[in-house]
Amino acid sequence: AQTVTQSQPEMSVQEAETVTLSCTYDTSENNYYLFWYKQPPSRQMILVIRQEAYKQQNATENRFSVNFQKAAKSFSLKISDSQLGDTAMYFCAFMKQDTGNQFYFGTGTSLTVIP
Amino acid sequence: DARVTQTPRHKVTEMGQEVTMRCQPILGHNTVFWYRQTMMQGLELLAYFRNRAPLDDSGMPKDRFSAEMPDATLATLKIQPSEPRDSAVYFCASGLTRGQPQHFGDGTRLSIL
Repeated sequence: AQTVTQSQPEMSVQEAETVTLSCTYDTSENNYYLFWYKQPPSRQMILVIRQEAYKQQNATENRFSVNFQKAAKSFSLKISDSQLGDTAMYFCAFMKQDTGNQFYFGTGTSLTVIP
Repeated sequence: DARVTQTPRHKVTEMGQEVTMRCQPILGHNTVFWYRQTMMQGLELLAYFRNRAPLDDSGMPKDRFSAEMPDATLATLKIQPSEPRDSAVYFCASGLTRGQPQHFGDGTRLSIL
């Protein structure tokens, strides 16, 4: 079974600063996908970023980037120039390649951006 | 932008009543998921459909919960009879296979009194 661990239940960051959220996973698969989702207080689940395990290059979406370390099974999310609207719960998710798009979610990290 | 539509957004009812939650997946998506979110348990997968066929409902209490896809545009999650411990936010998500992200609806906040 796949497990996803987010070891930081809560974090805070000053506005305009950079913060990194950690995620580790356990799998015996070689090909898979990793995602970060954001859930603001409105409770919508919003896709932040996606990474394919066979790609060595780290994915980037504007102020969001990942540090994907396949050997270490680590997938951290870096938020640069934090904004108040980044305040949300962040979920890391793992998807195997060959079983459709079923997710295995972590327990989430609650991020607060402080003005 | 195409969206997953869930109804109702909020539901308050008394214990023992039947609850039906509905989901319209994004047109063309062939997988549908039902999740339950609580503070204590986080996001739990309840059921998973591919091409309308149920693939995994091991996370769902079988005695009171049921999930169906009567057609490609509608998925339903029913609770009968409902209990206070069923109070949670229920999400529906849809997607395509092979590494594509799931797209979530806005959720149904269910309160069982």
